[in-house]
Amino acid sequence: QSALTQPASVSGSPGQSITISCTGTSSDVGSHNLVSWYQHHPGKAPKVMIYEGSKRPSGVSNRFSGSKSGNTASLTISGLQAEDEADYYCSSYAVSSTLVFGGGTKVTVL
Amino acid sequence: EVQLVESGGGLVKPGQSLRLSCTASGFSFGDYAMSWFRQAPGKGLEWVSFIRHRTYGGTTEYAASVKGRFTISRDDSKSVAYLQMNSLKAEDTAVYYCARGSYQFDYWGQGNLVTVSS
Repeated sequence: QSALTQPASVSGSPGQSITISCTGTSSDVGSHNLVSWYQHHPGKAPKVMIYEGSKRPSGVSNRFSGSKSGNTASLTISGLQAEDEADYYCSSYAVSSTLVFGGGTKVTVL
Repeated sequence: EVQLVESGGGLVKPGQSLRLSCTASGFSFGDYAMSWFRQAPGKGLEWVSFIRHRTYGGTTEYAASVKGRFTISRDDSKSVAYLQMNSLKAEDTAVYYCARGSYQFDYWGQGNLVTVSS
């Protein structure tokens, strides 16, 4: 069982917006703003899409955005495209100086 | 260009040891923390360990699932991070990734398969 809770799957049609939630506790997600989101295509290296809750690395499309409310972080993908189909993971630094991950969400573009 | 390349994986029997290496290039290795992750077959990503950079004394942290069996280390002169894995179990079977950072990771390797089976 993962420390952070994500939905197993989310789907949407091209052009739609989807949101993936990531629920933790006051010891991780709720304790600071060190939540990151990673896109992972099987067999490839994971790619950071959002860091520090809402910051987007250079080169990542502005269709990806992150937010947080209390113990829940969210990743929104707007204008869904076929290339967005992948597994998405949230992670959070925890007060115990460890890192916790969500179980991953499979995004399907219908 | 930043590159991270894992090596050292393979097939081992339960109880045996293996050492993974992560060879870095394209950045000042000693200025960054380094981390290891794994993904077991059909499972999600799992953080394994990280080692802080020299400014923070190169201190280490481990996931509970590997604490006491795995040891992370680094050789800044060679730009390499290591993961020494002892007393391996079948449940350690996974693709192991290294990444740059300690709580957010901007560069990752392609992964290296470790299979623990009798």
